[in-house]
Amino acid sequence: DTAVSQTPKYLVTQMGNDKSIKCEQNLGHDTMYWYKQDSKKFLKIMFSYNNKELIINETVPNRFSPKSPDKAHLNLHINSLELGDSAVYFCASSPYERSLLNTEAFFGQGTRLTVV
Amino acid sequence: GNSVTQMEGPVTLSEEAFLTINCTYTATGYPSLFWYVQYPGEGLQLLLKATKADDKGSNKGFEATYRKETTSFHLEKGSVQVSDSAVYFCALRKAAGNKLTFGGGTRVLVKP
Repeated sequence: DTAVSQTPKYLVTQMGNDKSIKCEQNLGHDTMYWYKQDSKKFLKIMFSYNNKELIINETVPNRFSPKSPDKAHLNLHINSLELGDSAVYFCASSPYERSLLNTEAFFGQGTRLTVV
Repeated sequence: GNSVTQMEGPVTLSEEAFLTINCTYTATGYPSLFWYVQYPGEGLQLLLKATKADDKGSNKGFEATYRKETTSFHLEKGSVQVSDSAVYFCALRKAAGNKLTFGGGTRVLVKP
């Protein structure tokens, strides 16, 4: 069974459209993340949710709105898409137990978004 | 703030060559350190990790030692294979559930 799954895997859309990327994890983790990977492979955190509450919101345009209906899901909605939004978006999850400092994050396969 | 710096690629090697990818970090306290690998067209996978000074993480022939005195976590493999061709990311985390801070990634290409 896939631990962290994202849909769609590929998304091609026109400028100005609104699109969503869905993410689900079946690991029972409390914390979920969205990362953006640009064309040079640089990875940067966008958002982090813990038990459906936003805990990290980096300097991301407010056209990007994460939504967490429950702790197993963290969807990313993007309004008014721009050419510069083209990237690979990765969802990830990890436990939040403070005693487990060495816990890694588990990543989805990524969604390649191309804005034309 | 926290940051991770790793050597820029691409690194091109012949099969069975020795691989080293340098990684240094800036952070207060004692972060946990990770190496992730991204194979072509795939997501990130954890390669190895270390949580305290002098810990050595190892997996699939790769090793990295947490060096507090030099704030480094260099990745090494003694004999690379073509299947090791990938992008390697060094990362740190300050607390459980906290975000990972990644280095810029190093692309490694192993030729037969």
